[in-house]
Amino acid sequence: AQSVSQHNHHVILSEAASLELGCNYSYGGTVNLFWYVQYPGQHLQLLLKYFSGDPLVKGIKGFEAEFIKSKFSFNLRKPSVQWSDTAEYFCAVNGGATNKLIFGTGTLLAVQP
Amino acid sequence: DGGITQSPKYLFRKEGQNVTLSCEQNLNHDAMYWYRQDPGQGLRLIYYSQIVNDFQKGDIAEGYSVSREKKESFPLTVTSAQKNPTAFYLCASRVQGISNQPQHFGDGTRLSIL
Repeated sequence: AQSVSQHNHHVILSEAASLELGCNYSYGGTVNLFWYVQYPGQHLQLLLKYFSGDPLVKGIKGFEAEFIKSKFSFNLRKPSVQWSDTAEYFCAVNGGATNKLIFGTGTLLAVQP
Repeated sequence: DGGITQSPKYLFRKEGQNVTLSCEQNLNHDAMYWYRQDPGQGLRLIYYSQIVNDFQKGDIAEGYSVSREKKESFPLTVTSAQKNPTAFYLCASRVQGISNQPQHFGDGTRLSIL
């Protein structure tokens, strides 16, 4: 069965610090990988996705993620966070013929001004 | 603008009552989903539907029921059999048959037990 692990449950950073949120998945075949963000009081929004091609994908608001197949990882990065990045971040995977999206447990990021 | 509308935003239920959460989309998506979001547990799939008049159980379907009579609508009923219904419920939809397409989410309904 597919599963997604997000190891960081809570992250607190100061503005301008660099961010890396871990995401590991378990599925041996071709996968589609997503990062979603949920800002306080708002709905989930797609941050970026990977399905093929360049393993380094760029998303909105300066975020990027790198797909490392050998490590089954899809970590999210941002070189310099802002207070407005305070949100909950979810990694998700969709593999094979299924249309189901499996979510990680989420990482709550708090950026201190 | 196309999107997903969930109503109501807040819902209160008495013990033993069934309640129905509405989800409507005008994105012309075939596939629709219901998730439950609890703190520290991420999103867990309750039910999903890939086509009208058909739906499948997700990972935590017990105590819930759905219908899909129209493409645009996928209501979720939380029955009295659901022992811990207090949660945030999210509806989503996506293009069917193309696995790299993302899901689009509604604003959610927060259900509380009185």
